[in-house]
Amino acid sequence: NAGVMQNPRHLVRRRGQEARLRCSPMKGHSHVYWYRQLPEEGLKFMVYLQKENIIDESGMPKERFSAEFPKEGPSILRIQQVVRGDSAAYFCASSPGQVNNEQFFGPGTRLTVL
Amino acid sequence: DQQVKQNSPSLSVQEGRISILNCDYTNSMFDYFLWYKKYPAEGPTFLISISSIKDKNEDGRFTVFLNKSAKHLSLHIVPSQPGDSAVYFCAARRLDGTASKLTFGTGTRLQVTL
Repeated sequence: NAGVMQNPRHLVRRRGQEARLRCSPMKGHSHVYWYRQLPEEGLKFMVYLQKENIIDESGMPKERFSAEFPKEGPSILRIQQVVRGDSAAYFCASSPGQVNNEQFFGPGTRLTVL
Repeated sequence: DQQVKQNSPSLSVQEGRISILNCDYTNSMFDYFLWYKKYPAEGPTFLISISSIKDKNEDGRFTVFLNKSAKHLSLHIVPSQPGDSAVYFCAARRLDGTASKLTFGTGTRLQVTL
């Protein structure tokens, strides 16, 4: 049973470009969470999605950031017009359902904005 | 507003001795607590958890203690092994409507020396 997969593992973008981060949850998991870790900080919640639905986006910046989890395919975190402050590690986690308290994390995508 | 705090950024322990990692929280609505271990360039790995209705949970070398009145939890690792060297994150969960996002502390870097 493959774990949570994220790609790319490393992404370099210039200021103003778009960044697309992908997350494939564990088999059988229908809940996806995105977290961001800035240097020397803990992980900060961004958004929680179920298939085709955004459940909680309270941690997502209001502008330039969007997330989706379509019926088919991976979850996508999109950052438009990236700025240097977006440089961070972005982690995706999945769980089988709300009542299951454990979230399994992917290896992360390290975004560097030049 | 840091609702989960790990006040010790680092800890060094000799192999075979006990490692004690501490975590404090401020939100009394948190009802589930987890510890994650993280190696560099990898995603967090779930270690152990505890529900707010318990005060202790043990799994092999790992024991988590919860003191609800003090809003404090700790992770004990005994005996410590060199492979335990990693960053440890405390996380808390609050059921808020249908969401179960995790709130993380800033982490404690554990170094187990020979």
